[in-house]
Amino acid sequence: GAVVSQHPSWVICKSGTSVKIECRSLDFQATTMFWYRQFPKQSLMLMATSNEGSKATYEQGVEKDKFLINHASLTLSTLTVTSAHPEDSSFYICSAGIPGLAGREQYFGPGTRLTVT
Amino acid sequence: AQSVTQPDIHITVSEGASLELRCNYSYGATPYLFWYVQSPGQGLQLLLKYFSGDTLVQGIKGFEAEFKRSQSSFNLRKPSVHWSDAAEYFCAVAASGGSYIPTFGRGTSLIVHP
Repeated sequence: GAVVSQHPSWVICKSGTSVKIECRSLDFQATTMFWYRQFPKQSLMLMATSNEGSKATYEQGVEKDKFLINHASLTLSTLTVTSAHPEDSSFYICSAGIPGLAGREQYFGPGTRLTVT
Repeated sequence: AQSVTQPDIHITVSEGASLELRCNYSYGATPYLFWYVQSPGQGLQLLLKYFSGDTLVQGIKGFEAEFKRSQSSFNLRKPSVHWSDAAEYFCAVAASGGSYIPTFGRGTSLIVHP
């Protein structure tokens, strides 16, 4: 149980375009989802916390207008990278917390590799 | 705010040898502690976690970790390493009285020689 999927697993886009990444909890309802960014050989950096039905909470230094997060249902959160640039190329990972345990234990998706050319 | 230090960037061991990956945390109270493993190009898999109780925690794949409050440590161990254990290992700490969102260490890359 507690499976989280991400789609796509990898994407290549041209500079200036937007790309959407989906994060789904497959067998549980997630009131809270988290979005992380990971640069090569580095740790995960929390970008934002996404709560179903409300606005996401962004970490300091993360541009909310560039990284649009929508959590429209209890099983789906999306991250849209708007007007992508090469420096946005990274590995994006989402995770979901089970209601009542949100954050105490997170289940991670397999990640999405974004390359902006 | 909490923080976590993984002092070793790389660890190289021979297959069959024992393993210990170090993790030190900074937090004013008893934290929630986690170890995750990440294979190349993959997401994170939880190996084990500590919330309270027995300070020696057993996890999946033969891993264990021991919470030592006096040393602010949560080192990961395995008695006999397999080649498939080669991966990136992340220690994480979350505040027990806060938002529970974990803070990750920078990771330790495990290299296994045949």
